[in-house]
Amino acid sequence: EVQVVESGGGLVKPGESLRLSCVVSGFIFNAYGMNWVRQAPGKGLEWVSFISSSGSSVHYADSVKGRATISRDNAKNSLFLEMKSLRVEDTAIYYCAREATLYGDYFEDFWGPGTLVTVSS
Amino acid sequence: DIQMTQSPSSLSASVGDRVTITCRASQDISNFLAWYQQRPGKPPKLVIYGASTLQSGVPSRFSGSGFGTDFTLTINSLQPEDAATFYCQKFDSAPFTFGPGTRVDIK
Repeated sequence: EVQVVESGGGLVKPGESLRLSCVVSGFIFNAYGMNWVRQAPGKGLEWVSFISSSGSSVHYADSVKGRATISRDNAKNSLFLEMKSLRVEDTAIYYCAREATLYGDYFEDFWGPGTLVTVSS
Repeated sequence: DIQMTQSPSSLSASVGDRVTITCRASQDISNFLAWYQQRPGKPPKLVIYGASTLQSGVPSRFSGSGFGTDFTLTINSLQPEDAATFYCQKFDSAPFTFGPGTRVDIK
């Protein structure tokens, strides 16, 4: 059974840093790209970042570029998102999602329950 | 960057109705589009990928169509458990932008 579990959320002050983690099981982690997606309270989904299966390719949304670093440890089935210079508008539930590909199609097929990050003074 | 829009932003329909949601990309994204259903307090759930392929385990009353810039998600015979917000997402290239969502309520 595929499992995806995020952790590391909490209450932080503006300007501070935070490291989110995502541990997966039930599939061959190093065969899949992974994404972070966030959702501000009462708002829609916002794609944040992607990392390829090997970690050699990464992409970021403009809203976090320069402040976020995505990484992975394939030996530990773990994905990370380091966020610095946090802003009030970074307050959101952060989801970790597996990116699958099938016959040239791409999609996020397994999601964790999310971890809440609150940025407030 | 390519922008994604959805219409309507919300709708209310009765059980048994046919519901259609539209997603539009500002540029051609071929068929690199997925649809997700999100119920309150839950993570999104994949419904359709490749614009028209039904994800395993999703009821056959859901269907997707479209190519290029215009896409639709159709729910035939709406059921009470279909009440949720539906999002489209592009996958042609980063950024993998989501549409703003369509909330579906049951009358």
